[in-house]
Amino acid sequence: EVQLVQSGAEVKEPGESLKISCKGSGYSFTNQWIGWVRQMPGKGLEWMGIIYPGDSDTTYSPSFQGQVTISADKSISTAYLQWSSLKASDTAVYYCARHLASSGGSSRRLDYWGQGTLVTVSS
Amino acid sequence: QSVLTQPPSASGTPGQRVTVSCFGSSSNIGTKTVSWYQQLPGTAPKLLIYSNNQRPSGVPDRFSGSKSGTSASLAISGLQSEDEADYYCAAWDDSLDGWVFGGGTKLTVL
Repeated sequence: EVQLVQSGAEVKEPGESLKISCKGSGYSFTNQWIGWVRQMPGKGLEWMGIIYPGDSDTTYSPSFQGQVTISADKSISTAYLQWSSLKASDTAVYYCARHLASSGGSSRRLDYWGQGTLVTVSS
Repeated sequence: QSVLTQPPSASGTPGQRVTVSCFGSSSNIGTKTVSWYQQLPGTAPKLLIYSNNQRPSGVPDRFSGSKSGTSASLAISGLQSEDEADYYCAAWDDSLDGWVFGGGTKLTVL
């Protein structure tokens, strides 16, 4: 059974750093892209970026480039999302999701999702 | 402002058929397949439809999807109370080289 299990909720102050995780199991973690999606309170889904754990090839949404860092450790089947200096506006639920693509890339889907990590940034 | 455009709300009574539309452009829906996600209150999104009209195992056939040009639709027939949720369309965007989502449609079962 494919599962993505995310780390627990975090409460941080502005300016602090944070790294949240997403551990995959039940499939070959190395060979499938993992994406991160933000959902601010009461709002919709926003794509942040994507990483291929096999070689750590990463693409960021322009909206999040320079604001977060996506990484992965294939030896422990875990992807990460990190901030060096949190802002109150980073308060949101963050989801990881497995990204599947057909050869040629015309058909793609986010087929399995983690349970979400709530990050609250407040002084 | 989301790249894909969905109506913010939709509603129906039990047993009815409802549809949710999703409008995009040539860089996303026009050239890539559409997927739909259901988000029940307080839970993570779940894949409902992929490749425009395919259902993952376990998704009831009451849910169906279609695509034409740069727009797509999700149809739910035989509406049930447990279908009350937020529904999001999504597609890969070649210009962005990433995913784009609709703003979400909140479905209310009256």
